[in-house]
Amino acid sequence: DAEITQSPRHKITETGRQVTLACHQTWNHNNMFWYRQDLGHGLRLIHYSYGVQDTNKGEVSDGYSVSRSNTEDLPLTLESAASSQTSVYFCASSPSPNQPQHFGDGTRLSIL
Amino acid sequence: AQSVSQHNHHVILSEAASLELGCNYSYGGTVNLFWYVQYPGQHLQLLLKYFSGDPLVKGIKGFEAEFIKSKFSFNLRKPSVQWSDTAEYFCAVPGSGAGSYQLTFGKGTKLSVIP
Repeated sequence: DAEITQSPRHKITETGRQVTLACHQTWNHNNMFWYRQDLGHGLRLIHYSYGVQDTNKGEVSDGYSVSRSNTEDLPLTLESAASSQTSVYFCASSPSPNQPQHFGDGTRLSIL
Repeated sequence: AQSVSQHNHHVILSEAASLELGCNYSYGGTVNLFWYVQYPGQHLQLLLKYFSGDPLVKGIKGFEAEFIKSKFSFNLRKPSVQWSDTAEYFCAVPGSGAGSYQLTFGKGTKLSVIP
């Protein structure tokens, strides 16, 4: 079965460090998304991609970057981790705007 | 830009009680509408979706939602909740035009069902 896999599931790191969260999907979807989930805010879009070499900023993109070198992967990088970036991060993919997004299991990131 | 409002932050019900969770969206054009559910410690899963046609949509696990265009609403309902329905529920709407691949989520409603 097709799936979307995030790694690691949990990570603890220190402020100022660079952190990369992986997202790999086998749905062959062109569209991929990164969200962060925080209490009281729901899910907020960080970055998204409509295909290889395409990346776009979302609502809360400051301090984050993504790259899309193939269809399957959209890694999320925190250039210099800050405590405000402690959150649960979800990756998602979809084939088209008329179809629901499929979500990964999330990465719980703690920045101390 | 599209916006989504969920009126209830936390709802507490006893088993067998009826449920209605409110969702209002801002865009008045043709819309697709989704409800997602997130069980404790899990990822979001699709509960139901509305694209067109019958405004009363049936989803999984006995949930349904009614699209009322004149009220910009897409409320989620279940006649009789179970303890296993304890979860957080999110309403979501795609953007318009070039942003139509993006989903805008409401802030979520946490449902706690007491046995």
